[in-house]
Amino acid sequence: DTEVTQTPKHLVMGMTNKKSLKCEQHMGHRAMYWYKQKAKKPPELMFVYSYEKLSINESVPSRFSPECPNSSLLNLHLHALQPEDSALYLCASRFGAPLAGEYNEQFFGPGTRLTVL
Amino acid sequence: QKEVEQNSGPLSVPEGAIASLNCTYSDRGSQSFFWYRQYSGKSPELIMSIYSNGDKEDGRFTAQLNKASQYVSLLIRDSQPSDSATYLCAVKNTGNQFYFGTGTSLTVIP
Repeated sequence: DTEVTQTPKHLVMGMTNKKSLKCEQHMGHRAMYWYKQKAKKPPELMFVYSYEKLSINESVPSRFSPECPNSSLLNLHLHALQPEDSALYLCASRFGAPLAGEYNEQFFGPGTRLTVL
Repeated sequence: QKEVEQNSGPLSVPEGAIASLNCTYSDRGSQSFFWYRQYSGKSPELIMSIYSNGDKEDGRFTAQLNKASQYVSLLIRDSQPSDSATYLCAVKNTGNQFYFGTGTSLTVIP
């Protein structure tokens, strides 16, 4: 099973709203990622959690706030977003242990299509 | 200097032909190399991973890695219209980070 789930599939929010995106995996993966993807562009890394600790924050604005409550769950809290934040938000995971080979494979969830009005 | 470079295409091949997608990377310490397929409006789907020099085959897909030349390629044999998508090359360093190319758009013409 290589499934990463994300909810909601679609989200429309105003600039003053607070909302959260949720990501879940039950593959025992200990590295979890948030990416942002605009049309016709590659995924852009936002955050990486390794063993539930934030290991990479790619200078993302504070209106995006990640949270990793446990090894299976990853949230992205959104507040006071701008229209230019409209994008496909992708969660991904991989084993995360310092092992070689297929343990480095990263699997993406289906994404949340976010529209900020 | 971009970490991972791909020809953006678009690349068009007739049905049944071989599609060849190429990728170069700049970090000689990179250890893991991946090809993702992404249909329009969908998330990237992992189709191939390769870790050592040479070829790796999986069905109609063959990944090729040449670490000395810092070059990764993906061959799709007997291309089908359903292979029409954007193909993303990704390279992982020794840490947690993956570096993506800008993607190559492939169209298979029936």
